[in-house]
Amino acid sequence: NAGVMQNPRHLVRRRGQEARLRCSPMKGHSHVYWYRQLPEEGLKFMVYLQKENIIDESGMPKERFSAEFPKEGPSILRIQQVVRGDSAAYFCASSTTASGAYEQYFGPGTRLTVT
Amino acid sequence: GENVEQHPSTLSVQEGDSAVIKCTYSDSASNYFPWYKQELGKRPQLIIDIRSNVGEKKDQRIAVTLNKTAKHFSLHITETQPEDSAVYFCAATEGSSASKIIFGSGTRLSIRP
Repeated sequence: NAGVMQNPRHLVRRRGQEARLRCSPMKGHSHVYWYRQLPEEGLKFMVYLQKENIIDESGMPKERFSAEFPKEGPSILRIQQVVRGDSAAYFCASSTTASGAYEQYFGPGTRLTVT
Repeated sequence: GENVEQHPSTLSVQEGDSAVIKCTYSDSASNYFPWYKQELGKRPQLIIDIRSNVGEKKDQRIAVTLNKTAKHFSLHITETQPEDSAVYFCAATEGSSASKIIFGSGTRLSIRP
């Protein structure tokens, strides 16, 4: 089991460009969560998705940020027109669909740097 | 919504001594409380968790206690070792749903040789 995969691991974008972050959940997991971590800070919930559905996006900024988890392929977090304040580590986590299974397992993260 | 407070923000203990990290939560409906360990530049790793129907859980040198009445839970690490040095995060579900986990601000634990 390869675990949760994220790519790229490091991404550098200039202000105004778009950033696309990808996350492949663990085998057998169909729930995906995205978190943002600023340097020296905790993890902030952004969005929770199941296949083809956004379940909870209450932590996602209303503008420039979007997320999807298509029927086939990885989940994608998209940031349009990036600004310096978007520089952070973005982690995704996945969990199973089993009833009462709450455990979330994290990927290695994508470190986004906006120059 | 849920609010999770974590203390202390930094903790330094002598190797072999115990370390205790405390968290409080605000949502009385929370029913799942995981603890994560994050080493520098690495992913958060789940080290132990507890459900609301249990008061204490132990796994080797790590234990977690939960007081639902007071809405606080704690992580205890005994016989600390250098490899325990990391940032530790507590977390709690928002409500009784597994969909959203709110994290504390983290505790940087350093083990002195």
